[in-house]
Amino acid sequence: ETGVTQTPRHLVMGMTNKKSLKCEQHLGHNAMYWYKQSAKKPLELMFVYNFKEQTENNSVPSRFSPECPNSSHLFLHLHTLQPEDSALYLCASSQDWTTTGELFFGEGSRLTVL
Amino acid sequence: AQSVAQPEDQVNVAEGNPLTVKCTYSVSGNPYLFWYVQYPNRGLQFLLKYITGDNLVKGSYGFEAEFNKSQTSFHLKKPSALVSDSALYFCAVISMDSNYQLIWGAGTKLIIKP
Repeated sequence: ETGVTQTPRHLVMGMTNKKSLKCEQHLGHNAMYWYKQSAKKPLELMFVYNFKEQTENNSVPSRFSPECPNSSHLFLHLHTLQPEDSALYLCASSQDWTTTGELFFGEGSRLTVL
Repeated sequence: AQSVAQPEDQVNVAEGNPLTVKCTYSVSGNPYLFWYVQYPNRGLQFLLKYITGDNLVKGSYGFEAEFNKSQTSFHLKKPSALVSDSALYFCAVISMDSNYQLIWGAGTKLIIKP
């Protein structure tokens, strides 16, 4: 198993759908992150969880709803998305939130909103 | 405002030649600097970091980077490029004002031609 696993790898959804992205890490880390990656733009940090508690929410629209039931799992619930939300969504983990420089990333979930 | 600049969208290098991918930053205080690589259809992988000490840091896959405080730069280098080095490279920084979160550059696509 890879260190950080994301499912699904690809997702196509309409603007009225509800879907979820899942992330699981097998590294024993205590911090997990959601990033949005769009072409030719810096990675956008969306959410940070440390020991299951949300420590960062970078003004992300409420149509994105994170959930962290334990230190190994992270979800991103999606509803009533817009076409501009189409992007690669990356999950990452680190030992804890103060060691954010060394992140371990999953392979990403490619989201297309029609 | 804190920022990271990667001035080249794309760098083309012939196999066997030295390569340089440029990065400059603007942050408050002493920076912690990082390079990550993203191979096609994959997540990001940590390459190397500068925290303190020797300005020349060595990382994975034969890459190295030089911290230059006066020029606020942290260029990534490799003496002899391989075709397999073709990927997207991201520079990132943490500063005292970034709340331990990485500030990312927009990425540079490196193409190594046989």
